[in-house]
Amino acid sequence: ETGVTQTPRHLVMGMTNKKSLKCEQHLGHNAMYWYKQSAKKPLELMFVYNFKEQTENNSVPSRFSPECPNSSHLFLHLHTLQPEDSALYLCASSREGSSEQYFGPGTRLTVT
Amino acid sequence: DAKTTQPNSMESNEEEPVHLPCNHSTISGTDYIHWYRQLPSQGPEYVIHGLTSNVNNRMASLAIAEDRKSSTLILHRATLRDAAVYYCILRDLDETGANNLFFGTGTRLTVIP
Repeated sequence: ETGVTQTPRHLVMGMTNKKSLKCEQHLGHNAMYWYKQSAKKPLELMFVYNFKEQTENNSVPSRFSPECPNSSHLFLHLHTLQPEDSALYLCASSREGSSEQYFGPGTRLTVT
Repeated sequence: DAKTTQPNSMESNEEEPVHLPCNHSTISGTDYIHWYRQLPSQGPEYVIHGLTSNVNNRMASLAIAEDRKSSTLILHRATLRDAAVYYCILRDLDETGANNLFFGTGTRLTVIP
């Protein structure tokens, strides 16, 4: 238990569906991150939020839309995904200035 | 961020020490060396980090070469629960704000009972 929770843990969606992934941290951190982990590939940093402001968008397609309403919650809105978007989506958080990131367990997404 | 090079895989016998190497020949003077590990079916977890001096914590030790072009993560007594992918990552902590980490492919450690 890292203090970072993600829901749902598993998600199967069609290419025309719209769904959202949720991340919540109970650690008082002010930076939050979305990563994508595809099979046999390194973790890819997708988005970074610092004090609710997006500070990094690592060339992510617009079918992925992040939202950070406050420092404790982070969402990833998904629409018209492709099968190659199937992956493990990991959320993490950290204190400002700290490189110690705490990761959630991830959401295993399958796009059919 | 400077690049790191790690062996793809390593094996260790249970209860023996494990030395996981990492090369980072292009490291800059302000890059910190971080280690994370990812156990099966879990997100990565922080292990340790350092700048120049060797570091110890409850999970592991980090030995940093004098020229800082390489480092070694040391697990003093491997257990089956240490089987994971270990990532060596460089990050400049002089930058303010959120700290972005860029993961490589890491070293997959297998612990043999």
